[in-house]
Amino acid sequence: KQEVTQIPAALSVPEGENLVLNCSFTDSAIYNLQWFRQDPGKGLTSLLLIQSSQREQTSGRLNASLDKSSGRSTLYIAASQPGDSATYLCAVENYGQNFVFGPGTRLSVLP
Amino acid sequence: NAGVTQTPKFQVLKTGQSMTLQCAQDMNHEYMSWYRQDPGMGLRLIHYSVGAGITDQGEVPNGYNVSRSTTEDFPLRLLSAAPSQTSVYFCASSYSTGPQNEQFFGPGTRLTVL
Repeated sequence: KQEVTQIPAALSVPEGENLVLNCSFTDSAIYNLQWFRQDPGKGLTSLLLIQSSQREQTSGRLNASLDKSSGRSTLYIAASQPGDSATYLCAVENYGQNFVFGPGTRLSVLP
Repeated sequence: NAGVTQTPKFQVLKTGQSMTLQCAQDMNHEYMSWYRQDPGMGLRLIHYSVGAGITDQGEVPNGYNVSRSTTEDFPLRLLSAAPSQTSVYFCASSYSTGPQNEQFFGPGTRLTVL
């Protein structure tokens, strides 16, 4: 059974810092890995999708990497801003058409 | 495009009542799914559908029913609500399955069962 974990569970940084969020999964038989952002009381917004054959994806200040063989992905946020404060979730799509989510990392960026 | 829409946004039920959570998408996506989100448990898959007329169980299906009569709609039915079903429910959709498959989520329904 696929299990997804995220470290750290919570993170607080001053504005302007670069930071890394980690996601690990136990079964490498995945189609893709997706990073989401969730603001309090809101739904999930897709940030980046990395296909299983890709090593990384970039969108603005966000960069996500994938090492399928070791079961790891990282989300790098450059020059963090208070507006980046949210919970970040990763999810893997398994062969067999279902998705498994990690518990999330709660990020606070202090002005 | 409205994307994925869910109704209602909030609902309070008494134990034993039944209700239907509505989900619709206008992106012509084949794959639709329902999750519940609980503190400390993350998102857990309840039911999913890979196309009209096809549904399957996820990780936590007990107490819930689904049907998929059209591509656009995927309602979730609570048969006899229990306090353990107090949660936030999210509907999601994606084009199909495979490496390029990106999921899109609705805004959620916050359900309280008394």
